[in-house]
Amino acid sequence: AQTVTQSQPEMSVQEAETVTLSCTYDTSESDYYLFWYKQPPSRQMILVIRQEAYKQQNATENRFSVNFQKAAKSFSLKISDSQLGDAAMYFCAYRGKGAQKLVFGQGTRLTINP
Amino acid sequence: DARVTQTPRHKVTEMGQEVTMRCQPILGHNTVFWYRQTMMQGLELLAYFRNRAPLDDSGMPKDRFSAEMPDATLATLKIQPSEPRDSAVYFCASGPTGVVEKLFFGSGTQLSVL
Repeated sequence: AQTVTQSQPEMSVQEAETVTLSCTYDTSESDYYLFWYKQPPSRQMILVIRQEAYKQQNATENRFSVNFQKAAKSFSLKISDSQLGDAAMYFCAYRGKGAQKLVFGQGTRLTINP
Repeated sequence: DARVTQTPRHKVTEMGQEVTMRCQPILGHNTVFWYRQTMMQGLELLAYFRNRAPLDDSGMPKDRFSAEMPDATLATLKIQPSEPRDSAVYFCASGPTGVVEKLFFGSGTQLSVL
């Protein structure tokens, strides 16, 4: 079974600085999808960024980018120019290509210090 | 904007009572998921449906939990009898089949069983 591990329960960063959230996963599949979701205090799960395993290029979405290392099974999220609105729980998630369900990590709580 | 609607947003009940949580998926979405979020276990998949048929409910305690889709606009998750260990946030998510990035989450039902 696939597993997703986020080793940082909490992280904090100064506003306008850059922060990287770590995620590793375990799978025997060669083709799959990886995601980062943001969960603010409102509880709404918001998709931040996604990566397809067969693509070498790291995904980027404005201030959010990933460092996808397929051989190391690592998928970290970098947030540049951190803003107060980035404060939330961040979840890394995995989905096999042929599957429907998402497997989530335990989450990292990100605090932005003004 | 289309969104997944969950009711109630909060529920406090006493041990032994029946609890019903409802979800209205986005119109046209034919895949529906139920997730449970706790501090200890993170986000766990309870069940999911495609075209109203249950595809996987292996994550759900069968003796007390049941999930159904009476029609395409309503998914329900019932707990009977409820126990304090069921206290959690229950999320519903919906998406069109095969479109990985188009999974939308509701805001969840926060359940407290006293």
